Amino acid sequence: DTGVSQDPRHKITKRGQNVTFRCDPISEHNRLYWYRQTLGQGPEFLTYFQNEAQLEKSRLLSDRFSAERPKGSFSTLEIQRTEQGDSAMYLCASSVAGATTDTQYFGPGTRLTVL
Amino acid sequence: GDSVTQMEGPVTLSEEAFLTINCTYTATGYPSLFWYVQYPGEGLQLLLKATKADDKGSNKGFEATYRKETTSFHLEKGSVQVSDSAVYFCALRGSYIPTFGRGTSLIVHP
Repeated sequence: DTGVSQDPRHKITKRGQNVTFRCDPISEHNRLYWYRQTLGQGPEFLTYFQNEAQLEKSRLLSDRFSAERPKGSFSTLEIQRTEQGDSAMYLCASSVAGATTDTQYFGPGTRLTVL
Repeated sequence: GDSVTQMEGPVTLSEEAFLTINCTYTATGYPSLFWYVQYPGEGLQLLLKATKADDKGSNKGFEATYRKETTSFHLEKGSVQVSDSAVYFCALRGSYIPTFGRGTSLIVHP
């Protein structure tokens, strides 16, 4: 068990550029979540997958954001035409769907800075 | 919608002091409740959890009891250490969307 990994750890981009982040969940975890965290705030839910199906999307997720999990394993989060307000830490978490707790395990995050 | 309210920080304590970080929630149904900890420069780690009313979660000397009547899940530790300095997040899982509080920073001085 190597934990949840995210790549890259840091990304600096210019406004208007597209960026893509990758998340590799813990093996056998069938749920995968994306969050955004800004300074002084808790994680804000963006979207989640169960296997390859995207089951829920937050209203925070504008049309410029898209997430995929094509084979039910790793996931990508793409932000098109980045804006300065997109600067944040993007967190990925994974879990095993269960009847009660659905405990999530978080990756280290990707810090995005939009200049 | 669901919400989590945590006491504002920073909470500053001396080593071996007693710690309480308050957390209250609003949710429909019977959510599961969690405390996560984020050490400087690291990702969030699950600290403890409780899945039903009156359950007590515990780990590393930290405890929290799921109080449905007061919709609370306060985090406590009897004797904090400098190494406990971190940001603590209360969270709930109700329907599908997990909800986190804003976090409470804890600073423990020797």
